[in-house]
Amino acid sequence: EIVLTQSPATLSLSPGERATLSCRASQSITTYLVWYQQKVGQAPRLLIYDVSNRATGIPDRFTGSGSGTDFTLTISSLEPEDFAVYYCQQRYNWPLTFGGGTQVEI
Amino acid sequence: QVQLVQSGAEVTKPGASVKVSCRSSGYTFARNIIQWVRQAPGQRLEWMGWINVGNENTKYSQKFRGRVTIARDTPASTSATTIYMELSSLTSEDTAVYYCATSRGLPNGWFDPWGQGTLVTVSS
Repeated sequence: EIVLTQSPATLSLSPGERATLSCRASQSITTYLVWYQQKVGQAPRLLIYDVSNRATGIPDRFTGSGSGTDFTLTISSLEPEDFAVYYCQQRYNWPLTFGGGTQVEI
Repeated sequence: QVQLVQSGAEVTKPGASVKVSCRSSGYTFARNIIQWVRQAPGQRLEWMGWINVGNENTKYSQKFRGRVTIARDTPASTSATTIYMELSSLTSEDTAVYYCATSRGLPNGWFDPWGQGTLVTVSS
């Protein structure tokens, strides 16, 4: 099973600041890496698929990068609605697995 | 707009089974893969399995094999298709929010959209 490790667990920032979230895979997953955003009491929402492709309606302040085992989600300038938990997920191998999440808090 | 609508919260006892439903609003399930993911309190998201709504093929996580069944109840050509996830031999560790999501035509695709989630509480 591929283990995804996200860091940091919590990121404390202010609106307007830049957020950099990391996701590391226990083995290469090439570019099969997905990012989701989850707000309290809500289902996850797709942000980015296959490392760097933004989902429909996702603003361009969200950028994904990386390949192999190391991946990054960058939020260029945090908006109030961006404070949430972010999960990465690999779709390279079975079972599909998720990271433990990074909480971006004010 | 595509939406997945799940059944309501369940409270059940250890050793029992629970059945959670997921239906589409706004499009036909045919040729789609419906995934099931759960999120226990304080835990990461956990993939459980999927069903190909068109041909009813399924794949389950080894962790849940033998305890989970994902099935559909109506022909895939109608917009009224409902997908069910049944989990048996429940323990307190199965207390979680259960989500369905579609990965469209890809068994290993990205999940979009997700249902609203169904809280299952296992308690004696």
